[in-house]
Amino acid sequence: AQSVAQPEDQVNVAEGNPLTVKCTYSVSGNPYLFWYVQYPNRGLQFLLKYITGDNLVKGSYGFEAEFNKSQTSFHLKKPSALVSDSALYFCAVRVGGPSNTGKLIFGQGTTLQVKP
Amino acid sequence: KAGVTQTPRYLIKTRGQQVTLSCSPISGHRSVSWYQQTPGQGLQFLFEYFSETQRNKGNFPGRFSGRQFSNSRSEMNVSTLELGDSALYLCASRPGTVAYEQYFGPGTRLTVT
Repeated sequence: AQSVAQPEDQVNVAEGNPLTVKCTYSVSGNPYLFWYVQYPNRGLQFLLKYITGDNLVKGSYGFEAEFNKSQTSFHLKKPSALVSDSALYFCAVRVGGPSNTGKLIFGQGTTLQVKP
Repeated sequence: KAGVTQTPRYLIKTRGQQVTLSCSPISGHRSVSWYQQTPGQGLQFLFEYFSETQRNKGNFPGRFSGRQFSNSRSEMNVSTLELGDSALYLCASRPGTVAYEQYFGPGTRLTVT
């Protein structure tokens, strides 16, 4: 079965320090991986995706993610955290099946808390 | 471009009633997906529509149904509401079946009492 795991319920980091939010996946075939962020009372905002190519993917708001096939991981990173980055972060994988399906499987989410 | 819009934003219903939620995708987007978000189960896929056809369905009972209109707007219906249906229902759109990322609306918060 295809799945996504975010091993940390919460990550705490000081403003200005680098941050990492972890994600591991289990899929059959090539993985299509995504990161989304959710602010309170808002929908999900797309941050970045990995489809193929360079293992380091750059996205919105200074975020980047590193795809590691051998470790089946897709960790989200940012060199310098901002208080405004505090939010709920979701890792997701596109499910196989009918070609180009839009079905995503999400991790359980990680709350990022950035303290001044 | 305007983003994905969902109406209503908040809804309170009683057990046994039915409810219809609406989603208007980003202009030009023809694929619409629906997700349920709850604290216990997280984000779960409900169904996906493209060109008025359901392309994929999640593991939900038949009380959950949806449809898509020729203008790509979509509705989902939940009949015989249960307390456990209380959730944030999110709609997402993408241009077509080739595009990978989806763009989410703000959601409809459904409370069943």
